[in-house]
Amino acid sequence: DVKVTQSSRYLVKRTGEKVFLECVQDMDHENMFWYRQDPGLGLRLIYFSYDVKMKEKGDIPEGYSVSREKKERFSLILESASTNQTSMYLCASSFRLAGFYNEQFFGPGTRLTVL
Amino acid sequence: KNEVEQSPQNLTAQEGEFITINCSYSVGISALHWLQQHPGGGIVSLFMLSSGKKKHGRLIATINIQEKHSSLHITASHPRDSAVYICAVRSADGLTFGKGTHLIIQP
Repeated sequence: DVKVTQSSRYLVKRTGEKVFLECVQDMDHENMFWYRQDPGLGLRLIYFSYDVKMKEKGDIPEGYSVSREKKERFSLILESASTNQTSMYLCASSFRLAGFYNEQFFGPGTRLTVL
Repeated sequence: KNEVEQSPQNLTAQEGEFITINCSYSVGISALHWLQQHPGGGIVSLFMLSSGKKKHGRLIATINIQEKHSSLHITASHPRDSAVYICAVRSADGLTFGKGTHLIIQP
């Protein structure tokens, strides 16, 4: 079974703190994704990466950065956390195979509260 | 950008009922995903469809490409089916998610 893990299930931080959310997958997937999920808005893509050291902005990248130094690990960084970044953060991964419909596998989510 | 609409937003039903959740989208797609999110956040992929119909146990997913519409059906529903069901479509824009349908099955 594909396993996508996230470093924390619940996290509470203060405004202005630097926050790291870690995601690790064990299926040698090329693609990795970070989403946030808010009531009434559904899942929105923040950043994704299709290879080590490669990253692409998603729909809402402002206030976030990412790091992909190893294939299995994709980090989401909040440089200076703000209260409007309180949300559920979900990581996902998938293969990058031309011609295939790439199913994404999701981690359990991190519920971040910024006070 | 592809618009994805799910209906209903909320659904409460009794155990044993036949459940239908609908998903409509606005532009052509290469694939459609149905996801299940349990309380606490974890998301599980149920189906990935590009045409026709798929069945896993009590779950059935259908897609009509011409009408840009998909349905997720649950037969003999059970309280453990209570979850948020999310439709996501893959198109040239990438993956676009619906807002989800919150399903509660009462014993």
